[in-house]
Amino acid sequence: QKEVEQNSGPLSVPEGAIASLNCTYSDRGSQSFFWYRQYSGKSPELIMFIYSNGDKEDGRFTAQLNKASQYVSLLIRDSQPSDSATYLCAGPDGKTSYDKVIFGPGTSLSVIP
Amino acid sequence: GAGVSQSPRYKVAKRGQDVALRCDPISGHVSLFWYQQALGQGPEFLTYFQNEAQLDKSGLPSDRFFAERPEGSVSTLKIQRTQQEDSAVYLCASSLDSPGGYFGPGTRLLVL
Repeated sequence: QKEVEQNSGPLSVPEGAIASLNCTYSDRGSQSFFWYRQYSGKSPELIMFIYSNGDKEDGRFTAQLNKASQYVSLLIRDSQPSDSATYLCAGPDGKTSYDKVIFGPGTSLSVIP
Repeated sequence: GAGVSQSPRYKVAKRGQDVALRCDPISGHVSLFWYQQALGQGPEFLTYFQNEAQLDKSGLPSDRFFAERPEGSVSTLKIQRTQQEDSAVYLCASSLDSPGGYFGPGTRLLVL
């Protein structure tokens, strides 16, 4: 079983809607999670990180972490066509003493104008 | 530099050829990671350096893969006797003191 799982999608939402991206993880000791955005043909770009239970908001993005249920989500409000990309969830590899992260397979998001 | 740079950006190799991929991390960044990303997949960890020390090479697929960072800055990933299954994007990321580093643009390797 992979340690970080995501629905590969594609997820399609109309412009202006809320896009909800979900990620589950297997390591109960994980403390921090990261969301990366990757445009086609480009490298991943860090857009959000969350360390504690609850919500973290940054502009149109909200990351939610639920440690009891072992899931982390990313909400994108007022979705724009420019948000169309693959979103990668990453969490720590609990088996190492350094800051190694494990990536999920990514969820492809398409925002339809 | 302003960000992580990688060269070459594209590399076409004949099967059996050796290749060397270069990564220039952000100046002063202690941690450097190499990842391999296949089409439609997330980045897969290859190896990790803390300064010049290679602390983890558990993700290297075979002994044909070798990485070094001799002076704690620039790193080179070398693949010997390339095979078609080595075709992928090779990503380098660096960070100062926290996880979730900054990625370079990647090197797209195609082995024919």
